[in-house]
Amino acid sequence: GENVEQHPSTLSVQEGDSAVIKCTYSDSASNYFPWYKQELGKRPQLIIDIRSNVGEKKDQRIAVTLNKTAKHFSLHITETQPEDSAVYFCAASIKGGSNYKLTFGKGTLLTVNP
Amino acid sequence: DSGVTQTPKHLITATGQRVTLRCSPRSGDLSVYWYQQSLDQGLQFLIQYYNGEERAKGNILERFSAQQFPDLHSELNLSSLELGDSALYFCASSVAIGAPDTQYFGPGTRLTVL
Repeated sequence: GENVEQHPSTLSVQEGDSAVIKCTYSDSASNYFPWYKQELGKRPQLIIDIRSNVGEKKDQRIAVTLNKTAKHFSLHITETQPEDSAVYFCAASIKGGSNYKLTFGKGTLLTVNP
Repeated sequence: DSGVTQTPKHLITATGQRVTLRCSPRSGDLSVYWYQQSLDQGLQFLIQYYNGEERAKGNILERFSAQQFPDLHSELNLSSLELGDSALYFCASSVAIGAPDTQYFGPGTRLTVL
């Protein structure tokens, strides 16, 4: 089955710096890659996603890049703010029959220090 | 607010007991997914239902079962509970299964087994 590796597991940055979180996936048939942000005790919330026919997508301070050849995708957060502090999960979607299933990475705890 | 609702928010019970977690998907969503999130763990996919039918199984124990009803709400039944079953249980919903689709998460049910 699909395996998603996420690095680093923890990341600490100063407010205003950039943060980059990287994920690799194992199944070349994966075609949808969402990123979720989860604050402590809260639900995961989709922050950005990218499909396999696109190499890069940006939404204000957040961007995601996808390298299908290398089977990795990354989340970039610029001008970080304390409210960006949370756990971030990447995921990859793989089709099985007529069904799509998400496999999640283990998460990155991002801390933005004021 | 994602539009996905889950009840109860918290559940405290004893080992050996049985509990039922309930999830109502977003209006119009036909697919429901259940995930388990233990302390320091990522999101472990348990099971998926689409329009009342089971469509995919993940790391779901035999002591756990689920179903989706005609009104599309879903229930996750956990029986013979063990201490290790203590976790956050999330459900998510999406429109369909025929294409990789965004999953929207509910607020979760925190289960504590004493």
